[in-house]
Amino acid sequence: DTAVSQTPKYLVTQMGNDKSIKCEQNLGHDTMYWYKQDSKKFLKIMFSYNNKELIINETVPNRFSPKSPDKAHLNLHINSLELGDSAVYFCASSPPTSGNTIYFGEGSWLTVV
Amino acid sequence: LAKTTQPISMDSYEGQEVNITCSHNNIATNDYITWYQQFPSQGPRFIIQGYKTKVTNEVASLFIPADRKSSTLSLPRVSLSDTAVYYCLVGETSSGGSYIPTFGRGTSLIVHP
Repeated sequence: DTAVSQTPKYLVTQMGNDKSIKCEQNLGHDTMYWYKQDSKKFLKIMFSYNNKELIINETVPNRFSPKSPDKAHLNLHINSLELGDSAVYFCASSPPTSGNTIYFGEGSWLTVV
Repeated sequence: LAKTTQPISMDSYEGQEVNITCSHNNIATNDYITWYQQFPSQGPRFIIQGYKTKVTNEVASLFIPADRKSSTLSLPRVSLSDTAVYYCLVGETSSGGSYIPTFGRGTSLIVHP
């Protein structure tokens, strides 16, 4: 069983469209994250939720809106997609305190054309 | 804020020991140091974690000096399958006091035959 699963794995879409990436974890963790990885492999945190509550929002454009219907799910919705949004988006989860391992999904490759 | 610095790339040969150092001059007193490995088209996965001195598991060793301002990941006798990007992770604290797991820019290790 996959611990952190995200869909779709690949997504190609046109500028201006709205798209969503879904994420689910079956580890029972309280905290979930979205990270963005650019072409230079830099992993930058976007959002963090703890028990469905937003706790980190790292200077991400308003076009990105995370939604957590329950603590096992954290979906990412992106409005008005731009070329610069092309990247790999990783969902992850962990227990909430420092020193705990973060478990990542396999990534969603988003290409905006 | 904690910030990590690690070499962009390293080359090695099969059977050699590889040491990758990460500097984190502003690490918080209660923060751990965690290393992740990422293969192409996959999410990062946990390798090893430590707080101080030396930690060893079946995959790697982690050396942390007394001042904790740096850490060295040691991979014994690397093989071709160890070719990957290696990330050092420490935490930052947001303005709201939340713990933010923050990755370095990663070290791309290439192991040659």
